[in-house]
Amino acid sequence: DTGVSQDPRHKITKRGQNVTFRCDPISEHNRLYWYRQTLGQGPEFLTYFQNEAQLEKSRLLSDRFSAERPKGSFSTLEIQRTEQGDSAMYLCASSQDRGTTDTQYFGPGTRLTVL
Amino acid sequence: EDQVTQSPEALRLQEGESSSLNCSYTVSGLRGLFWYRQDPGKGPEFLFTLYSAGEEKEKERLKATLTKKESFLHITAPKPEDSATYLCAVQVFSGGYNKLIFGAGTRLAVHP
Repeated sequence: DTGVSQDPRHKITKRGQNVTFRCDPISEHNRLYWYRQTLGQGPEFLTYFQNEAQLEKSRLLSDRFSAERPKGSFSTLEIQRTEQGDSAMYLCASSQDRGTTDTQYFGPGTRLTVL
Repeated sequence: EDQVTQSPEALRLQEGESSSLNCSYTVSGLRGLFWYRQDPGKGPEFLFTLYSAGEEKEKERLKATLTKKESFLHITAPKPEDSATYLCAVQVFSGGYNKLIFGAGTRLAVHP
């Protein structure tokens, strides 16, 4: 079990640029989640995949955000035309469907700073 | 509306000084209550899941308990390495998936 990995760990970009983050879940996990966390707050849900299907998107996810999970493996989160308010930690989590509950395991996160 | 509130926001302890962190929640249809530990600049690390009132789980110096309205994370004789932010989250079934709703966390600092 190698855990959830994310790349890059840190990203500094200028306002208006596009950025893309990658998440590799735990290999047997079919569920994948993206969260955003700002300083002093808990993670806030952004979107959810079951295998390759994106089943839920938060109202926090504006049209500038898009996520994919081709072939139900790794996932990417793209932010277009970044704004200073996008500065945050972006966390990915994965879990395995085990019935009524599933434990989400988090990656180390990608810290985005928009100048 | 589903809500999770953690208290205190921050807690400073001396090494060996036991204390408790609180997580109160209002949700419809609790599927589980989760505790995570988060170190600065890192992702949350899973600690415990509690499913029903009266349940308790222990791991080293940590013990988590659950009632119908709140959960406590008891820290016995803490050490400096226990310093971290402790996050509580409730899991509910919403929109066809298990939604995890987090509190803002309690920042714990343990001093030697």
